[in-house]
Amino acid sequence: KAGVTQTPRYLIKTRGQQVTLSCSPISGHRSVSWYQQTPGQGLQFLFEYFSETQRNKGNFPGRFSGRQFSNSRSEMNVSTLELGDSALYLCASSSGASGNTIYFGEGSWLTVV
Amino acid sequence: QKEVEQDPGPLSVPEGAIVSLNCTYSNSAFQYFMWYRQYSRKGPELLMYTYSSGNKEDGRFTAQVDKSSKYISLFIRDSQPSDSATYLCAMPLMDGGTSYGKLTFGQGTILTVHP
Repeated sequence: KAGVTQTPRYLIKTRGQQVTLSCSPISGHRSVSWYQQTPGQGLQFLFEYFSETQRNKGNFPGRFSGRQFSNSRSEMNVSTLELGDSALYLCASSSGASGNTIYFGEGSWLTVV
Repeated sequence: QKEVEQDPGPLSVPEGAIVSLNCTYSNSAFQYFMWYRQYSRKGPELLMYTYSSGNKEDGRFTAQVDKSSKYISLFIRDSQPSDSATYLCAMPLMDGGTSYGKLTFGQGTILTVHP
C-alpha cells in the first residue's frame, strides 16, 4: 500500500513569490492535514481537509491556503512568500474516522531567499 | 503554558541502554496518544498509538499512559544506534468524543545512541 506522497520534495523560491505544494494521501483516506515544521516552532498545524471541506484551521495568516479535490488529493498554497516561511511542510493522511491513526509524508522542503 | 510539554534533550545514551521519553499534557480532553520517530530530513513515522491508561508493548518499544497524571512515556529497550532520531509525542484534537486530524505535538526529544 503506497504511503503519503508529497511533491515537490525540495524547492527554492524568492520573497514575494507564491508556491503550491501537493499531497496524495494513502488510498482510501479522506482526511488530509498540513503542518509546518521549523527548528524554532516545531510542528505546527496549518489546516485539515475532509471530503473537500476544511474542518480545522490553525493560527496562520491568510497567505496560507489549501484545498482538497474529490479524489482526496490536496494542495496548499503560500502567497507573497516571506523569509520566515522557509520550513518543512508536512502532509498527513488518515481515514478521518474518530481515533484513527495519522500517517505523514516525507515533506516538502521550502527555502525562501 | 503549552498544551503538550516534552523535554527537548538532547539525550545521549550508550547502545543497549533503556531509554525513557516523556510528555505531559494539560488538556484532559486528549484521549488518544501517539509517538512518532523522525529521522533527520524525513517525515515523522508513527511508532506507537495508545488510547487507554496502562502499557502497550511493541517489540522493544513500550508506551505508557497515565491519564490521572496527564503523563505519557515511551520506553525503548536495548537501544540501538539506529534508534538515534527525534521522538515526538502527539495528541489529536477532540471534540465531543470525536478525534480529528489536528495533532498537537510536543517539542520533540533528540536521542543519540552511541555504539
